[in-house]
Amino acid sequence: SQQGEEDPQALSIQEGENATMNCSYKTSINNLQWYRQNSGRGLVHLILIRSNEREKHSGRLRVTLDTSKKSSSLLITASRAADTASYFCATFYYYKLSFGAGTTVTVRA
Amino acid sequence: EAQVTQNPRYLITVTGKKLTVTCSQNMNHEYMSWYRQDPGLGLRQIYYSMNVEVTDKGDVPEGYKVSRKEKRNFPLILESPSPNQTSLYFCASSTSRTGVNEQFFGPGTRLTVL
Repeated sequence: SQQGEEDPQALSIQEGENATMNCSYKTSINNLQWYRQNSGRGLVHLILIRSNEREKHSGRLRVTLDTSKKSSSLLITASRAADTASYFCATFYYYKLSFGAGTTVTVRA
Repeated sequence: EAQVTQNPRYLITVTGKKLTVTCSQNMNHEYMSWYRQDPGLGLRQIYYSMNVEVTDKGDVPEGYKVSRKEKRNFPLILESPSPNQTSLYFCASSTSRTGVNEQFFGPGTRLTVL
């Protein structure tokens, strides 16, 4: 079953702008992870936030998690053309990773 | 180079003809998993394995089989493929036995069943 839902489905921004995407989920989680996929290729892990954490940073990425609202957000600062990709949130709970449908981000030069 | 490999990368077959998609990882990971990706649905987990001879169903196991006879290999078997199994398939492995850590994905296998 599809656990996470990303919003928006698609996002187009200018190079240098920030990109924010949100993820909502339905059930309990051990952690929440964000992945990037370039045009039908394999997924690449970006960042993992545990259920007892509220915020995490990695380079230009900032992730927040609100377990009371069952939601997370991914912020990419100072976007680059190379950030053009689909971004997926995935919730992990008891051996299983469940993905949302993803947000497609296009960064215009 | 640490990686997950899948073969074949592309496959066109016909309904009912048994096929196997191989997956191998060279990172000594215990946890491995299969996913399918369909437009608008994201990735859905088919099966996972926490160790040799230990496998369990994911969210969409119908029509698929797996085996884990060696730690590095986790083949996906379609005994009688049907057109609704046309999809993009990914294998992944994790540093954690339970899969709780980040997962490393293979490049994908695009399967078309006619």
